[in-house]
Amino acid sequence: ILNVEQSPQSLHVQEGDSTNFTCSFPSSNFYALHWYRWETAKSPEALFVMTLNGDEKKKGRISATLNTKEGYSYLYIKGSQPEDSATYLCAPLSGYALNFGKGTSLLVTP
Amino acid sequence: ETGVTQTPRHLVMGMTNKKSLKCEQHLGHNAMYWYKQSAKKPLELMFVYNFKEQTENNSVPSRFSPECPNSSHLFLHLHTLQPEDSALYLCASSQFRTDTQYFGPGTRLTVL
Repeated sequence: ILNVEQSPQSLHVQEGDSTNFTCSFPSSNFYALHWYRWETAKSPEALFVMTLNGDEKKKGRISATLNTKEGYSYLYIKGSQPEDSATYLCAPLSGYALNFGKGTSLLVTP
Repeated sequence: ETGVTQTPRHLVMGMTNKKSLKCEQHLGHNAMYWYKQSAKKPLELMFVYNFKEQTENNSVPSRFSPECPNSSHLFLHLHTLQPEDSALYLCASSQFRTDTQYFGPGTRLTVL
């Protein structure tokens, strides 16, 4: 089981603000990092799977970067919208198991 | 809709009851997973099945018993649970064990 830290624990921004969160994980034996988005009363939804150091992925207004040497990943949301309100989870892969962090809970108000 | 369904969505049971949770995936995936989400804790992996074979048991108490009769169905049999087992139980599937996992909506379990 890996020690995965996500910060901040929660975040409240205004519509239109850009924001970012951090995921920290052990850098040794890295294989892949998954990001998920979990809206209340819904299933967690996959955002990105990242494997290479320096990787950058983008999906609409959401992007993520990966630094495997220092063990962190950033998730960015540009121009936040109320529908972005959710908990964002990161999960490095250890062996064949995903180790989830506690997540960053984002609230975007109009 | 993710292609992964779970029943029931809500379950209340006593400590002496026996019940089962069901998960079905319509994605043609080879790996299936059970996770537990307790209040204020991260998602915890319980079991992994790959091609119907159990490959991970994350030190789960024996009162939780998984069953994978085929690659599309996964069950979690519950017996003599404790109130601290009350949680959201999520099922997921993936094509291979290292791929993106697709989650079901979960079963909210309350043990009285």
